Amino acid sequence: DQQVKQNSPSLSVQEGRISILNCDYTNSMFDYFLWYKKYPAEGPTFLISISSIKDKNEDGRFTVFLNKSAKHLSLHIVPSQPGDSAVYFCAASSATHQLIWGAGTKLIIKP
Amino acid sequence: NAGVTQTPKFHILKTGQSMTLQCAQDMNHGYLSWYRQDPGMGLRRIHYSVAAGITDKGEVPDGYNVSRSNTEDFPLRLESAAPSQTSVYFCASSRQGFSNQPQHFGDGTRLSIL
Repeated sequence: DQQVKQNSPSLSVQEGRISILNCDYTNSMFDYFLWYKKYPAEGPTFLISISSIKDKNEDGRFTVFLNKSAKHLSLHIVPSQPGDSAVYFCAASSATHQLIWGAGTKLIIKP
Repeated sequence: NAGVTQTPKFHILKTGQSMTLQCAQDMNHGYLSWYRQDPGMGLRRIHYSVAAGITDKGEVPDGYNVSRSNTEDFPLRLESAAPSQTSVYFCASSRQGFSNQPQHFGDGTRLSIL
């Protein structure tokens, strides 16, 4: 039973346009969400996070939105750049300090 | 600024052989963990340690052992490798063990067991 789901295995976006990566979760006890980015042959690197007491967090070109009632969060990248091509993982944390990861979405930015 | 260093990067083992994956961090972080990444699945935590001398089991600990004799090193041992342990293994560190803290990852060890 996957508690954190990234339903799109891959996503292709034109350079300069907006990339929207989605993540759904089932456990209402999750109170913190993190996004990581991963290039081939490298480990994941932390990108941005959001606490459940907020509905939006912004860092430069990256914005994460949280809709608690729908148990859904999304990562927006504007504008998309070639260097954004990577696998993006959503992860959810609870008070028990378990971190549950989604399976990832591969983002391809087309020139 | 090495961060988290994992060795080896690649290895092939035969079923039943033993192997130690190395993880070293130079950021003076207290918390270290091992994850495995399998196709179509998220990262799953194998074992973790909140400080030298203290280790605990994660989600998928069976078939793996860890030890933490100092702050820097956190080796992962497979005593008798099985094909189901074919995976990419990541070591990660953070200053404290709270799961809402960003972790720093090594570049991974790709392990194949025949």
